[in-house]
Amino acid sequence: NAGVTQTPKFRVLKTGQSMTLLCAQDMNHEYMYWYRQDPGMGLRLIHYSVGEGTTAKGEVPDGYNVSRLKKQNFLLGLESAAPSQTSVYFCASSYLQAGVGNNEQFFGPGTRLTVL
Amino acid sequence: EDKVVQSPLSLVVHEGDTVTLNCSYEVTNFRSLLWYKQEKKAPTFLFMLTSSGIEKKSGRLSSILDKKELFSILNITATQTGDSAIYLCATLSGGSNYKLTFGKGTLLTVNP
Repeated sequence: NAGVTQTPKFRVLKTGQSMTLLCAQDMNHEYMYWYRQDPGMGLRLIHYSVGEGTTAKGEVPDGYNVSRLKKQNFLLGLESAAPSQTSVYFCASSYLQAGVGNNEQFFGPGTRLTVL
Repeated sequence: EDKVVQSPLSLVVHEGDTVTLNCSYEVTNFRSLLWYKQEKKAPTFLFMLTSSGIEKKSGRLSSILDKKELFSILNITATQTGDSAIYLCATLSGGSNYKLTFGKGTLLTVNP
């Protein structure tokens, strides 16, 4: 099992450019999450999905869009990148809601994005 | 607004020391508290706590929750350099709409 994988690992964008980050999991998990991590800010939830075809906003959704067309994939899009979106982005997945029962979150290795 | 506060923000100790990391929270409709360890890359799950007073233990790491005083501690005994990491605390709250709120983390550095 590869677990949770993310592509790309690093990316540099210019302001206004667009890009898509891909997250894939092979654990048949229903829930998938996108977080950003900034120095001194901890992890903040951008968007999440509770199953194929569903998406929902998290704590900091502005400037991002997501899609979950297939159960194993969760895509995070930046339509017009801004320097404030410079961050490390983590994808995570869990079988059901993390923190309920024995459901733990498994994180991907992260994508370091710089917007100039 | 839900709040999770970790202290200290950073800590430097020597190998063999015992450390205690703190996590306090103010959330609506608390469900559980989770601890993660983050080394260079992705956070990895350590513990999930739902009941007060029941210690969870894994090797040299242990954690306990106090739902009356709204905090949890993570203890690491006989620290090793491999324990150097950011330790994240998160709470799950909510009824039908769950919310996972992370603290800012504690950066632990263990020197040889």
